[in-house]
Amino acid sequence: DVKVTQSSRYLVKRTGEKVFLECVQDMDHENMFWYRQDPGLGLRLIYFSYDVKMKEKGDIPEGYSVSREKKERFSLILESASTNQTSMYLCASRGGTATNEKLFFGSGTQLSVL
Amino acid sequence: DQQVKQNSPSLSVQEGRISILNCDYTNSMFDYFLWYKKYPAEGPTFLISISSIKDKNEDGRFTVFLNKSAKHLSLHIVPSQPGDSAVYFCAASFQGAQKLVFGQGTRLTINP
Repeated sequence: DVKVTQSSRYLVKRTGEKVFLECVQDMDHENMFWYRQDPGLGLRLIYFSYDVKMKEKGDIPEGYSVSREKKERFSLILESASTNQTSMYLCASRGGTATNEKLFFGSGTQLSVL
Repeated sequence: DQQVKQNSPSLSVQEGRISILNCDYTNSMFDYFLWYKKYPAEGPTFLISISSIKDKNEDGRFTVFLNKSAKHLSLHIVPSQPGDSAVYFCAASFQGAQKLVFGQGTRLTINP
C-alpha cells in the first residue's frame, strides 16, 4: 500500500525559530510536493521537486525553502518562522510527470507558530 | 487570482439524498479535473477525475459532470451516506503543467 509519511502530526514553534518538516514516501515517486491548507484558501503549493536535488517554486514560496537529497525524502524548511506560517502542511508525491496522475498525500503537520 | 473556485464553503444534506458540489474555473487551458476528499486528521485522497474530452464520468455513487462552455464542473453523490462527510476539493490542470490548481474546498455534512 502506498505511503507518504510526515514526521510530525503537531508542532508548536516560536517566532524566529528555524523549522524542519520532513516527508518520506515509499513509492519510488519522482515528484514530491509541499502544500499548505488554510480555511477559505484551499490547498496552495509552496514548492515541488521532480527529481533529486531539483526544486521548483510553487505559488507561495516566500519564507520557505526545500531540500531533496534523496528520492524518497522531501524536506520543507521555514528559515525564520512567523505567525502567518501557522497552518496545516501537507506533503504529496506523484509517480509520473503528467498532472492527471494521482497525488498521494501524507496526513499533514499542523504547525502553530507563537 | 483564484483560477479554481468552490463558492460554497459548506453544504449540508440529508442521508440518502443527492449531494451536489460545484466548482468553477477561469483558465480555458485546463483540460483535466480531479476531485479529492479529505477527512479530518488525514491527507486528501483522490476520488474521481474527468478529462475535457468527456462531459461525464461515473464511479459508483460518484459522478462528475463537466460543462466546458460554462467552465463549470460538479460532483454528484447519490445516495449520500454519513461516511461522505468530509471536505471536498476540486483541482484542475492542463497538459504540460507540472502542478494542480486546487479550489478552496467545500465541507459536506451528511445528516442522519
